[in-house]
Amino acid sequence: SAVISQKPSRDICQRGTSLTIQCQVDSQVTMMFWYRQQPGQSLTLIATANQGSEATYESGFVIDKFPISRPNLTFSTLTVSNMSPEDSSIYLCSVGSGHAGETQYFGPGTRLLVL
Amino acid sequence: SQKIEQNSEALNIQEGKTATLTCNYTNYSPAYLQWYRQDPGRGPVFLLLIRENEKEKRKERLKVTFDTTLKQSLFHITASQPADSATYLCAPTGGFKTIFGAGTRLFVKA
Repeated sequence: SAVISQKPSRDICQRGTSLTIQCQVDSQVTMMFWYRQQPGQSLTLIATANQGSEATYESGFVIDKFPISRPNLTFSTLTVSNMSPEDSSIYLCSVGSGHAGETQYFGPGTRLLVL
Repeated sequence: SQKIEQNSEALNIQEGKTATLTCNYTNYSPAYLQWYRQDPGRGPVFLLLIRENEKEKRKERLKVTFDTTLKQSLFHITASQPADSATYLCAPTGGFKTIFGAGTRLFVKA
């Protein structure tokens, strides 16, 4: 298993600003994922970030709003740009394990509130 | 579209009993299915993975079944304990994509 940390753990932001969330893994991994989770809701995949390639975004999420960096095999960032109250959520990063990355290990999440 | 259904109502059981959680999926043919546990304010934690050619898998007090005909998985916790209280997420995976259910909250009373 991998140990994953996220920064910040929580933040309160003003609308129109941007926040960058960091995800650090204690081992080298190929597949990293970014999710959003509304209270009481399921996890929604934002994008898959594999090192050495551009992030792949899911339907409804665009790079201009959620730019992702993946500079090496242990680190990734997700930026939430031009925030609105609708972006208030928990943002989680995870890494894939297993021969096809099917099992995921999650970070503790970043709780974001946009006023 | 692909849909994952888990009991939206919380499941309340007495300590020592077996908890059974249900996961149904539609418009989907997952190669395998995973179960995760999530505690409040924390990220999900992987518990078990079962493949489409496996009918049942066990790990300590946990048991998972996978019926590809019924498109259903059952998750059992035997001899449940108050520490088992959490939200349990079903996550079928197919085509290198995992879709998470909304989860079922389990409360185990002492």
